[in-house]
Amino acid sequence: IAGITQAPTSQILAAGRRMTLRCTQDMRHNAMYWYRQDLGLGLRLIHYSNTAGTTGKGEVPDGYSVSRANTDDFPLTLASAVPSQTSVYFCASHPSGEGTDTQYFGPGTRLTVL
Amino acid sequence: GQNIDQPTEMTATEGAIVQINCTYQTSGFNGLFWYQQHAGEAPTFLSYNVLDGLEEKGRFSSFLSRSKGYSYLLLKELQMKDSASYLCAVRDGDYKLSFGAGTTVTVRA
Repeated sequence: IAGITQAPTSQILAAGRRMTLRCTQDMRHNAMYWYRQDLGLGLRLIHYSNTAGTTGKGEVPDGYSVSRANTDDFPLTLASAVPSQTSVYFCASHPSGEGTDTQYFGPGTRLTVL
Repeated sequence: GQNIDQPTEMTATEGAIVQINCTYQTSGFNGLFWYQQHAGEAPTFLSYNVLDGLEEKGRFSSFLSRSKGYSYLLLKELQMKDSASYLCAVRDGDYKLSFGAGTTVTVRA
């Protein structure tokens, strides 16, 4: 693994189903983030984690949950998917959240909820 | 929270210059980022400003005025591969990023 990866690449899901989007980074970054990107709205923060064992809510957390059991993994779970959760989901990581360095983005997961 | 505004679309000719403006209202400021995003791909970092002034990186430059809540990204000597969305993002006092909706730049031959 090099950098930050996400799985699956894309998924079609029936409404009401449970789904976990996976995100793994091998850069030993402390901070990790989940965004959704919708046309005309840009990237919106769903949840974040500043370090393993801690999580926080972003701008649009409802319907989503996260966990951060270790430094490398930051899964996003939709407990009961709804059509409004159709979006492209990006995971990102940052060494510490501070400083001049940028966030690094994964390739994204395109999710369609029918 | 943050309120970040940038134009929706811009069109320019190959070899020309385009300036993408971004205005923001912030509840804490720890820097402004510009990202490039090609269709179907992840955003990639272009520039970072935390102090007032101009940062130049090859064909791309970014300017910041904190007192005016204003930044711009300048793309010079436009190439076809510069056709993409350009995202302005502000980092707040809690070190989280808030993004504008993005500006789609189309470069025409």
